[in-house]
Amino acid sequence: GESVGLHLPTLSVQEGDNSIINCAYSNSASDYFIWYKQESGKGPQFIIDIRSNMDKRQGQRVTVLLNKTVKHLSLQIAATQPGDSAVYFCAESPSGYALNFGKGTSLLVTP
Amino acid sequence: GAVVSQHPSWVICKSGTSVKIECRSLDFQATTMFWYRQFPKQSLMLMATSNEGSKATYEQGVEKDKFLINHASLTLSTLTVTSAHPEDSSFYICSARDPGRRYTFGSGTRLTVV
Repeated sequence: GESVGLHLPTLSVQEGDNSIINCAYSNSASDYFIWYKQESGKGPQFIIDIRSNMDKRQGQRVTVLLNKTVKHLSLQIAATQPGDSAVYFCAESPSGYALNFGKGTSLLVTP
Repeated sequence: GAVVSQHPSWVICKSGTSVKIECRSLDFQATTMFWYRQFPKQSLMLMATSNEGSKATYEQGVEKDKFLINHASLTLSTLTVTSAHPEDSSFYICSARDPGRRYTFGSGTRLTVV
């Protein structure tokens, strides 16, 4: 069901620092994981994905780490910029079904 | 890249009326599309899976008679909120898997029921 009245956890970082956003997932059958960025009033935007047969994947300024043992996913953003300020969601998918989204983390980049 | 277009981007309607939201895959075909709802400062919650040419699959707790889904073609799914009430005010977002197997999202529809 839906959660009511929750506030998103917030991570505040200084411009130029590295950011690490964490996510715990619950479905051990999930084999595909994605990080999305959502700006206010917009739909989620794909950042990076990883399949369960990997434990690390790198993109441009971003790295995703997957620890299947403890069902943990993290997103690392290098040299964080003001344009990175947004809400970040992890999502999981068991074998191609619809995505299940995590609670989200609000990233605030200060100058 | 693949684009999912959602329309309208925002709508205000009176309580008791119905509102239709369209979701189109612009440059690919999608036999399956997904509809999500998002309340302020919360995550996206899956409402239903829309299947081309067959009935939608609704998540537990989502009223299928209130949220009518039609997926009449390989590029279009519609969500109709019937007899809308203020508690239906939310951000509705659709998604489809593109040919690269990635989930692409529409830009969302902000529904306000007054």
